[in-house]
Amino acid sequence: EAGVAQSPRYKIIEKRQSVAFWCNPISGHATLYWYQQILGQGPKLLIQFQNNGVVDDSQLPKDRFSAERLKGVDSTLKIQPAKLEDSAVYLCASSQLSRDRGEQYFGPGTRLTVT
Amino acid sequence: KQEVTQIPAALSVPEGENLVLNCSFTDSAIYNLQWFRQDPGKGLTSLLLIQSSQREQTSGRLNASLDKSSGRSTLYIAASQPGDSATYLCAVRRLGGNKLVFGAGTILRVKS
Repeated sequence: EAGVAQSPRYKIIEKRQSVAFWCNPISGHATLYWYQQILGQGPKLLIQFQNNGVVDDSQLPKDRFSAERLKGVDSTLKIQPAKLEDSAVYLCASSQLSRDRGEQYFGPGTRLTVT
Repeated sequence: KQEVTQIPAALSVPEGENLVLNCSFTDSAIYNLQWFRQDPGKGLTSLLLIQSSQREQTSGRLNASLDKSSGRSTLYIAASQPGDSATYLCAVRRLGGNKLVFGAGTILRVKS
């Protein structure tokens, strides 16, 4: 079974530029999560999708961050414009509630550096 | 609001030593607790998942315990090896939700 795929793995941009990350969850997983992990901290949930719909985006900075999940499969997370404090690893995870007790499986992450 | 704390923040031990990592959480209304491993530049690998009704889970040299009433979990690593060097994160999932709340992690270094 293929794992969660993310791209790109690394990205360096200047502040005020825009950037987009892509995630392909495990096949059949209805729930998809985006987490932000700042250096030295644990991951923090940004947004959770159940199929196409948003379940929780309470910690998403909506003035600059946006995310979508078209057709209930792949997802993109966008930052526009980026700030220095957005430097972090962005992790995508997926889960299938009917199996594995809702265990979340994580992708390798995208490391973003904003200069 | 759920808060998760991990102690110690960093740990360095000689190879072969048994060790314990600690995790505490403020809200005992959890669905489950997971321990993850994170290698530099990599994503998270799930090590053990303990349901709220369980007391412990074991996998190989790893044993995780859960005391929901006191808001504590421990990860016990037996006979540590240099390959165990990584950051270990615990995360709790609340009742009625899917969101994981993570601790900041314990950075483990096992010296050969």
